[in-house]
Amino acid sequence: DIQMTQSPSSLSASVGDRVTITCQATQDVNNFLNWYQQKPGEAPKLLIYDASNLETGVPSRFSGSGSGTDFTFTISSLQSEDIATYFCQQFDTLPYTFGQGTKLEIK
Amino acid sequence: QVQLVQSGAEVKNPGSSVKVSCKAAGGTFSTYGITWVRQAPGQGLEWMGRIIPILNIANYAEKFQGRVTITADKSTTTAYMELSSLRSDDTAVYYCARLRSRFGNYARWGYFDLWGRGTLVTVSS
Repeated sequence: DIQMTQSPSSLSASVGDRVTITCQATQDVNNFLNWYQQKPGEAPKLLIYDASNLETGVPSRFSGSGSGTDFTFTISSLQSEDIATYFCQQFDTLPYTFGQGTKLEIK
Repeated sequence: QVQLVQSGAEVKNPGSSVKVSCKAAGGTFSTYGITWVRQAPGQGLEWMGRIIPILNIANYAEKFQGRVTITADKSTTTAYMELSSLRSDDTAVYYCARLRSRFGNYARWGYFDLWGRGTLVTVSS
């Protein structure tokens, strides 16, 4: 199975900060990589697909980049409503696998 | 607006089975699949399996092979996930999600673009 490793596991930042999360795969997943946001008590929500494409309706402060084994998720200006856990997920090869998550808190 | 409506919380004894339903209210399965993901308390997301009715295929994570069955009833737009031989470490929230294909061409499936609210399954004696 392809293992996905996110960094950091948790992050504390201030409103307005630029926030970056990385996701590394144990093998090339091409750009078959998605990012999800999960707010406390809610189901995950798809934010970014194919590594860098913004899902319809998602604010433009969210972005993604990367290919191969190394990917980055960025919030350009953190808002209070962005408090959540973020997960990457690869779909290059079954089984689909997720990163362990990055918990984002407001400083 | 399509919603995925899941069945209610369950409490099960160890060794028993649970069957969770997921109805696509206001939509169809015609060009989508359904996938199941679980989340143990305070833990991350774990993929269990998927079904793609238009291709008549189902795939499961090796960890759950032999214990999980995912089915779909196109006439009622309802998918089901049945997990057997339950253990205490199966206690989790079970989510269904709509599975979208890349460019709609059915060659590659991997976008979980709409989720149910989750079903808590508690396994305890």
